[in-house]
Amino acid sequence: GDSVTQMEGPVTLSEEAFLTINCTYTATGYPSLFWYVQYPGEGLQLLLKATKADDKGSNKGFEATYRKETTSFHLEKGSVQVSDSAVYFCALESDYKLSFGAGTTVTVRA
Amino acid sequence: EPEVTQTPSHQVTQMGQEVILRCVPISNHLYFYWYRQILGQKVEFLVSFYNNEISEKSEIFDDQFSVERPDGSNFTLKIRSTKLEDSAMYFCASSKRTGNQPQHFGDGTRLSIL
Repeated sequence: GDSVTQMEGPVTLSEEAFLTINCTYTATGYPSLFWYVQYPGEGLQLLLKATKADDKGSNKGFEATYRKETTSFHLEKGSVQVSDSAVYFCALESDYKLSFGAGTTVTVRA
Repeated sequence: EPEVTQTPSHQVTQMGQEVILRCVPISNHLYFYWYRQILGQKVEFLVSFYNNEISEKSEIFDDQFSVERPDGSNFTLKIRSTKLEDSAMYFCASSKRTGNQPQHFGDGTRLSIL
């Protein structure tokens, strides 16, 4: 079945550092891909999405490009802030459902 | 911005009891979903619902689970006879449609079975 594998955490960074969280997927067909973020004590919020190969999703300084050839959707941000501390989930959608990765906990220190 | 709302935020129930988790999806959305996250594990799909029918369900969604849209605004998940292993965070989500319309999530209900 469809599945998502993302980088294990936790990841601890200093403010203004570069963040990359790797995500690869296995799917039949061409799923839509998403990154969701979960801030402490809150629900899942959509961070960005891409619906076809070579699409780049972006939001709040985060970017991810849908790479069909490598079945990847890595999340990047050039300069993180303390407020980016959260759990980040990569997900794909097919057959009416989202399949999530395990989540990566990111902590940004001032 | 419209939100998915879930109640209660925390539910404590004795094992074997029935529990109903409630959700109010975004008003113009047509597809509704339930997911759960056991502490320390992945977010797992339970069920999707469209046009008053289940569209897809996972292996987890066995006979003890049911969903209902009792009126034009609420979407409920019922667990008939709860087990200890049902303890988890349950998330409701809704979307305008599948594919390139993203699912919007509520803040979740933490269900604790004693």
